[in-house]
This record gives sequence, C-alpha cells and structure tokens, in this order.
Amino acid sequence: AQSVTQLGSHVSVSEGALVLLRCNYSSSVPPYLFWYVQYPNQGLQLLLKYTSAATLVKGINGFEAEFKKSETSFHLTKPSAHMSDAAEYFCAVSDNTNAGKSTFGDGTTLTVKP
Amino acid sequence: ETGVTQTPRHLVMGMTNKKSLKCEQHLGHNAMYWYKQSAKKPLELMFVYNFKEQTENNSVPSRFSPECPNSSHLFLHLHTLQPEDSALYLCASSQSGALTDTQYFGPGTRLTVL
Repeated sequence: AQSVTQLGSHVSVSEGALVLLRCNYSSSVPPYLFWYVQYPNQGLQLLLKYTSAATLVKGINGFEAEFKKSETSFHLTKPSAHMSDAAEYFCAVSDNTNAGKSTFGDGTTLTVKP
Repeated sequence: ETGVTQTPRHLVMGMTNKKSLKCEQHLGHNAMYWYKQSAKKPLELMFVYNFKEQTENNSVPSRFSPECPNSSHLFLHLHTLQPEDSALYLCASSQSGALTDTQYFGPGTRLTVL
C-alpha cells in the first residue's frame, strides 16, 4: 500500500532563508508524487509533481523538489522564503496499486518570520 | 466563474437537518472528488466520480450521499449528521482521474454540526 510521511508538522524560517519541507513515501511500484499548498480559507493548489520524467521538478513560486528513489524522498525546497509562502503544505503519492487514489500526508505548516 | 467553486462556504446544521453541498467546475474536467479535511487529520478521500459514474466510495457512512448529475456538478447530500462530521469539505476535479492528473480544488465548505 502507498503512504506518505511528512516530517515536521510545523516549520519556521526567517524571511530570505532556505525552505526545506520533508516528504518520504512508501510505494511498492513507481510512484507519482505531488506537492500541494493550502493558504488560509482556500483549497489546495498544486505546486509541482513528479511523473517519472526528470527527477528534479520545478514548480510555481520558486519551489522545487527532487525525487530520490534510493532515499524514498521527495523533499520540497525554496532557496529564499518570502512572507507570502506562509501556508500549509501537503505531499501526496499515487500509484497503480490503489486504483488511482492519491494518499495525502498530514501536512506541514510553514511559518515565515520577518 | 473560473476553476472550482463550492457553495455554501460555511454551513451550520443540527443533527436532524438535511442539507446539500454543491460543487461546480468550469475546467472541462471529467473526474470529480469529495474530500474531508478535519483538524489534526490527513485529507480523507470520500468519493470519486469519473464521467458521472461513481468509481470510489471510501467506506463513507450512508448519512453522506453524493450525486453527480453531469461532469460539471457534484453534490454532497447530508442528513442525520454527527458532531464529529464537522470539518472542511473540499471538492476537486481533474481531467480524467488518471494517476498523474493534477487535482484542482475548490475553497471548501466549512461545516459545523451542532
């Protein structure tokens, strides 16, 4: 069965600092991986996704993530945090063992300090 | 209107009431989803519809009844709910329900059951 673990339910960084949000997955077959962001009082919005092409995936708002099969990881990074990045971030995995359903992680709340 | 819209945005109901949540997507997609987002819990998939046919019911109690009259509209009929059903209910759509599809989310309906 597929699963995803987000390490750290809360991450706090200073404005301009590196953002690193961790996601590890478990899947018995090649996975597809997604990062979504949820701003207050809004639905989720896709940041980026890995679909077995390039292992380094670039997304919107300066975010990127690297698929590392050996580490079963898909960590999200951004070189320089902006105040507007404060939100909740969800990692999700899907594969063909689960009828196409995506499994979401518990989410990581990112706080950006001025 | 663009994207995925949900009405109402907020709903307070008693345990004996009957109400309905509405979702509409303006993206020309063929798959639609209902999710439940509770505090301190991961996002839970409830139902999936593909080309108006229900393809997934994730062991949801019968007090939640979905309806998909066409590919653009999705309803969630509620009756005899419990206080633990209070949550944010998110609707999403995707092109075809494929594993690599990006899901586009609405802003959600914040439901409170008294």
